[in-house]
Amino acid sequence: GAVVSQHPSWVICKSGTSVKIECRSLDFQATTMFWYRQFPKQSLMLMATSNEGSKATYEQGVEKDKFLINHASLTLSTLTVTSAHPEDSSFYICSARRRRGSSFNEQFFGPGTRLTVL
Amino acid sequence: QKEVEQNSGPLSVPEGAIASLNCTYSDRVSQSFFWYRQYSGKSPELIMSIYSNGDKEDGRFTAQLNKASQYVSLLIRDSQPSDSATYLCAVIAPVSGNTGKLIFGQGTTLQVKP
Repeated sequence: GAVVSQHPSWVICKSGTSVKIECRSLDFQATTMFWYRQFPKQSLMLMATSNEGSKATYEQGVEKDKFLINHASLTLSTLTVTSAHPEDSSFYICSARRRRGSSFNEQFFGPGTRLTVL
Repeated sequence: QKEVEQNSGPLSVPEGAIASLNCTYSDRVSQSFFWYRQYSGKSPELIMSIYSNGDKEDGRFTAQLNKASQYVSLLIRDSQPSDSATYLCAVIAPVSGNTGKLIFGQGTTLQVKP
C-alpha cells in the first residue's frame, strides 16, 4: 500500500510554455499533498502544501502565480509550471500524507518528474 | 542551529557490517520521526517511522528514538551494496509553526563496499 504516482516522469518543453504535472495517491486518501523541487546534488526544497478543496500554502520565495497548484480531490493534486524558463529545469517531486489514527502521519513520495526547459 | 542535523558523510562500511546513522533535532515538542532512503536521481522512499521512545525494528532496519536527548538513529544490519544511498532524517514540524510539514536533515551518504 501507500503508492503515489506522478505523470509525466519526464518532460522537455520550450521556454515560455506551461507544463502540468499530476500527482495521485493510488491506494489511500491523502489529507495533504506536498510539492518539492530538487536540483542536482542539493536537498529537497518544499515549494507548497495543499489540502483538498483549499488554496495551497506556498513557501517563502515560491511564486504562486508561476507554480499553480490544484488539489481537486483526496487523491489528485496538480502542479502547473507556467511560462517555464530554463532556470525552472529541475526534479519535481510530490508527496502525499496518509493519516492513520489521530497521531500517525506518514508521507509518501511519488517517483518525481524531471523537467527540462530548452 | 539547524532544526534537524545529520552528518553528511560519506559513511563507508564494509558489506555485512552494521551501519549506524544519526540525527539530532532541536524542537522538543516534535512527535513524529522518519527515515527516508534516496538513491541518486530518484525520489525519497520511506523506510521507517517512529513515534515513541525506544527501538523499532523492521527487517534489517532498526530505528531508535530518545526524546530526552532529542536524538534519533537508524541501524542497518548486514549492510549490502544496494543499501548505498543517501539517508534522510525527517521530523514533522510542530503544529504551532508550519503545520505538518516535514523538516529534513541534509542527509547522510552511505557507501557499502563489497
